[in-house]
Parts: sequence; structure tokens; C-alpha cells
Amino acid sequence: EAGVTQFPSHSVIEKGQTVTLRCDPISGHDNLYWYRRVMGKEIKFLLHFVKESKQDESGMPNNRFLAERTGGTYSTLKVQPAELEDSGVYFCASSRVRSSPLHFGNGTRLTVT
Amino acid sequence: AQSVSQHNHHVILSEAASLELGCNYSYGGTVNLFWYVQYPGQHLQLLLKYFSGDPLVKGIKGFEAEFIKSKFSFNLRKPSVQWSDTAEYFCAVNAHNTDKLIFGTGTRLQVFP
Repeated sequence: EAGVTQFPSHSVIEKGQTVTLRCDPISGHDNLYWYRRVMGKEIKFLLHFVKESKQDESGMPNNRFLAERTGGTYSTLKVQPAELEDSGVYFCASSRVRSSPLHFGNGTRLTVT
Repeated sequence: AQSVSQHNHHVILSEAASLELGCNYSYGGTVNLFWYVQYPGQHLQLLLKYFSGDPLVKGIKGFEAEFIKSKFSFNLRKPSVQWSDTAEYFCAVNAHNTDKLIFGTGTRLQVFP
């Protein structure tokens, strides 16, 4: 089966600009997660979708971040406007059922200058 | 709040040396424990997991981890490392009633031939 794919793999933007990250989970996986790793720190949970519904968005840093999963398939994470501290690697993961291990994508490396 | 500590940030070993990576967590309730690995240029993948039962867990590629409840620890071990084990290793935990994974900061392992 195809794995979790994320696009783009790298993005360099200026402070104040907007960026949209995309995640395509494994087909049939209802659960989709976004995580972020800021340089040298731990990987932190951002939010969890079950199909198209936000199950837990307690990790979203602030209202500059907007995640969507229309139709319960792929998801987007938009950062608007981007700030310097948003730089990091954004990981997406999916799972078929809630208790099963997560399958991660390769991540999107975001650099805000 | 839950947290995960990985004491070794960077470990350098020669092939055939034994490996032990420390992981401690803080959470008073029942937890699920994981070790993930990220090989250079690849996505995060599950190495092993503990949900319940035998506290000594065997994973892929000869890795094992032991859950010691009294010490809140889940250390990763391998008797004899190989050059191909060069990667970054992440310990993670989630409470039984949540899907949110809490990660440690990661340990970068370099194995020299």
C-alpha cells in the first residue's frame, strides 16, 4: 500500500506570508494526525481528525494555524500569517483505527525567514 | 502534564557494541509506550510498542525494550549494533484514554564500522 505522503517536502517563505501543507493519508485510514518538530526539540502533537471531524485540536499553537480535512480524505494545514517561530518539520500520520500504530509521512520542512 | 525524557541526545558507537537508550516518562495512569525510529531521509517508523502483558517487548531488527513501571522507564536495548542502525530514535507515550502521542526529544545514534 502507498504510504502517507506530504507535500511539499520543503517550503521557504518570508514572515507574514501564507503557506499550506498537504497530507494524503493511507487509503482507508480514518484517523489523521498532525505533529510538529521545532529544531532540536520534541515532536509535538497538533491535532487529530477522525474522518472529517476534529477529534482533538488541543495542540494547535494559535489561531494562525488552520487545519481542514474536507471529505475525510486528504488534509491541509495552513499557516497565515507565518512567523519565525513556525519554522520546523511538520509531520502527518494516519491510522486505520484509534489503537493501531501510526504511519508517518516524510514531513514538510518549513523555514520562515 | 505528561512528558517524556530521553537522556542521551547523541550516542556514538562502534559496530558490535551494545546499546541502551534511556527513556523516562511522567504520568500517573496507565500508558502505552512506543519507540519510533527515523533513518536518514526516511519517515518515522514504529520500532516496538508496549500496551500490556510481558514488560519485555521485542521489536524489529533485534531491538527490545523493557517497561519498568516502578521507575517510569522504557529503555531501548540492542546487544550488538550495526552501521545500518544509524538513525534518530524517539520514545513516545500516550495515556490509555487518548490518542495523542507525547514524544521525547530524540536520540541521534551514529554507528561507525
